[in-house]
Amino acid sequence: NAGVMQNPRHLVRRRGQEARLRCSPMKGHSHVYWYRQLPEEGLKFMVYLQKENIIDESGMPKERFSAEFPKEGPSILRIQQVVRGDSAAYFCASSPLTGAVYEQYFGPGTRLTVT
Amino acid sequence: QKEVEQDPGPLSVPEGAIVSLNCTYSNSAFQYFMWYRQYSRKGPELLMYTYSSGNKEDGRFTAQVDKSSKYISLFIRDSQPSDSATYLCAMILIKAAGNKLTFGGGTRVLVKP
Repeated sequence: NAGVMQNPRHLVRRRGQEARLRCSPMKGHSHVYWYRQLPEEGLKFMVYLQKENIIDESGMPKERFSAEFPKEGPSILRIQQVVRGDSAAYFCASSPLTGAVYEQYFGPGTRLTVT
Repeated sequence: QKEVEQDPGPLSVPEGAIVSLNCTYSNSAFQYFMWYRQYSRKGPELLMYTYSSGNKEDGRFTAQVDKSSKYISLFIRDSQPSDSATYLCAMILIKAAGNKLTFGGGTRVLVKP
């Protein structure tokens, strides 16, 4: 029973490049959340998606960041024109549609380094 | 003021001791309370969650919620070196537009053999 999968695990980008992070939720889960963990800071919510819908993007920076969860395939968090301040660990979590909807299970994260 | 406050530690205890962790929060609308464990450079792992005030036990772990004081605790009995990790409390404000988690900053715990 595979858990939440994220790739790549490590990503190095130069300033100005694009970063694309992927997340496959647990089997049977249809809700995806993205969180960011900056160095020496706690986890902060970014965006919540269901299939083909963005439900809550209140934690997402207004510029350069976007997220999607298509009907087929993984959820994607895209960061355009990366800057040094984007260096962080990005975690995806998933939860089921029914039942224990408040239980969010996290993936191993993608560590983004901007040089 | 942060919505969820948590002492960063580190908290160092000898093996076999009880580890006591806590968080305070300011928003009385938080309804679900979680504890996650995070090992270095890994994703958070859900340990327990609870809704009502009172105690909830699961093996060596006991979660306690006091909504009147806006205070939650996690106790780890018979601590082991493998319990050395950062422990994060998290809370959910239930609303129609999703159940995002609001985290405390985490407490680093070191259990010494």
